[in-house]
Amino acid sequence: QKEVEQDPGPLSVPEGAIVSLNCTYSNSAFQYFMWYRQYSRKGPELLMYTYSSGNKEDGRFTAQVDKSSKYISLFIRDSQPSDSATYLCAMRAPGQNFVFGPGTRLSVLP
Amino acid sequence: ETGVTQTPRHLVMGMTNKKSLKCEQHLGHNAMYWYKQSAKKPLELMFVYNFKEQTENNSVPSRFSPECPNSSHLFLHLHTLQPEDSALYLCASSRGGVSSTDTQYFGPGTRLTVL
Repeated sequence: QKEVEQDPGPLSVPEGAIVSLNCTYSNSAFQYFMWYRQYSRKGPELLMYTYSSGNKEDGRFTAQVDKSSKYISLFIRDSQPSDSATYLCAMRAPGQNFVFGPGTRLSVLP
Repeated sequence: ETGVTQTPRHLVMGMTNKKSLKCEQHLGHNAMYWYKQSAKKPLELMFVYNFKEQTENNSVPSRFSPECPNSSHLFLHLHTLQPEDSALYLCASSRGGVSSTDTQYFGPGTRLTVL
């Protein structure tokens, strides 16, 4: 079993839709969870950072962590064409290096 | 524009060439990383430097050789590469140390093609 799993997509949604992106993981020691956005031909850009379980909201973005289910989500409200990118989840255990998912490619159609 | 820059942005090299990738961070961080990103695969961690000391070598072939002369600069020296080494090479930095809130910031990457 891979340490972090993520549906690669592509996921296509109409403009204005609510987007749900998800990752599952197997290592119960992970405590720090991040979402990155990567546009074509660019490096990943940090979007959200959460610690342990719970929700965090920043503008149109909400990150959720459910440690009991080993499942994290990123919700995008009122999605825009400019949100079209690959979204990477990343996580780490204390004192350990980051582990990344393969990314989900999202297309928001005008 | 991020605080992490990489040069060159694109590189095409033959299997017998020697080239180097350069990374510079302007964020005052103490940890720097090299990752390889191939299509539809997770980011593969290659090397980690904390306070200029190499703390991770993730079973990377010796044809990749990192160098970290100071906390702001990181190089990846390449020689006798194989076509399967073609990928996007990403540099990242973080505060490093034992900070529980440590997060990574990435450069734009170098797109490497090995012929």
